[in-house]
This record gives sequence, structure tokens and C-alpha cells, in this order.
Amino acid sequence: AQSVTQLDSQVPVFEEAPVELRCNYSSSVSVYLFWYVQYPNQGLQLLLKYLSGSTLVESINGFEAEFNKSQTSFHLRKPSVHISDTAEYFCAVRGGETSGSRLTFGEGTQLTVNP
Amino acid sequence: DTGVSQDPRHKITKRGQNVTFRCDPISEHNRLYWYRQTLGQGPEFLTYFQNEAQLEKSRLLSDRFSAERPKGSFSTLEIQRTEQGDSAMYLCASSFSGRGNEQFFGPGTRLTVL
Repeated sequence: AQSVTQLDSQVPVFEEAPVELRCNYSSSVSVYLFWYVQYPNQGLQLLLKYLSGSTLVESINGFEAEFNKSQTSFHLRKPSVHISDTAEYFCAVRGGETSGSRLTFGEGTQLTVNP
Repeated sequence: DTGVSQDPRHKITKRGQNVTFRCDPISEHNRLYWYRQTLGQGPEFLTYFQNEAQLEKSRLLSDRFSAERPKGSFSTLEIQRTEQGDSAMYLCASSFSGRGNEQFFGPGTRLTVL
């Protein structure tokens, strides 16, 4: 069984400040890791994913996440946030190809960017 | 727009009534998933289909819940004898099968049971 812990339920920051949203997972098998974002009144959108290879993955809008197997973490970072980044962010894990297809989500982190 | 669509977007019902939700996936996708999200929580997996076959069900899917995907295209999720604890956002997602498949989510159906 897999589980995901997002360590912060709310993260308020000022515009142009750096931010880190923390995610830890537990799994007995190799995993695929995802970050999804949910803007107000919209559906979940994939932000970035780690499947294999380079442990640092990047999104098109400046976010990055690093897979750390020894610490079982997949923290999301952005060096300078914008007001438009205000949203709820969900970390999710899926077992490897021989495991089930379900995504297991964390409880979410509400990122609020203030002017 | 060729994304995942769900209908209705909102449903208010009285306890004990039956409700049915519909999901239309992205047309080329052979996998379809249902999740439930309650306030302040992340989505929780309910079930998924590959084509018309229901391959996995969560223990959250009690016998009051049934899902179908009769022709491997759209899917329905029915809840019988609704309870107040069923109030939640019901999310549908679709994907290709295969390694690291991205699940594309619909906007959800918000159910309120009075």
C-alpha cells in the first residue's frame, strides 16, 4: 500500500518569494510521483511527474521537483512565485508498472501568493 | 474542447434518493477512473475501467455504489439510497494504459445530500 503526506496544509507567501511545498511518500514498491494543481473552480491539472531517469523534473511554468529515494520525498519548489500561482497543490503516487493503476493523493497544500 | 466532461456539475438530493453521474472521457483513452474528494482532503480512488472491464475497486465503493462503462466509452456512477456522508466532489479521469500514464481529470460533480 502507498501513502502520501503533505506536511503543510497552507503556505502563504509574498509575490516573487521562493516557495517549497513538501511531500513525503511511503511505498513498498518502486513508484511514479506526480504533482497536480487545482485552481479555484477548475479540475485537477498535472504539473509535473517523475517516472525514472533524472531525479529533477521541471514544469513549463517554472516549478521543479526533486525525487529523493533515500528520504522518500518529492518536494515542489519555485524560485519566484506569482499571484497566479495561488491554488491547491496535490502530491500523488502510483505504484510501478506491475502495481495497480490508482493514484494515491496527499491531502493538499493551499498556496496563497500575496501582493 | 476535447477534455474530460462530467454531468451534472452539481446535484442536490435528499437522503435516501438515488443519483447517477456521467463521465465522458477523452475519446482515445481506454482507461477511466472515478475518485471522490471531500472538503479539505485529496481525491480518493474509487474504481477504474480498462475499456469496458472494471479492473479495480476500492473498499470505499460500498454496495450502494455501482459504476459501469458499457461500451468502453462513457461511464456512469450510481449511488443508491444516498446518505449525508456521500456528500463530496466526484471526479472522473481518463488516460491511456501504459507506463506513467497521465490521468486527465474532469471538472467534477459536486453532490450535496440533505
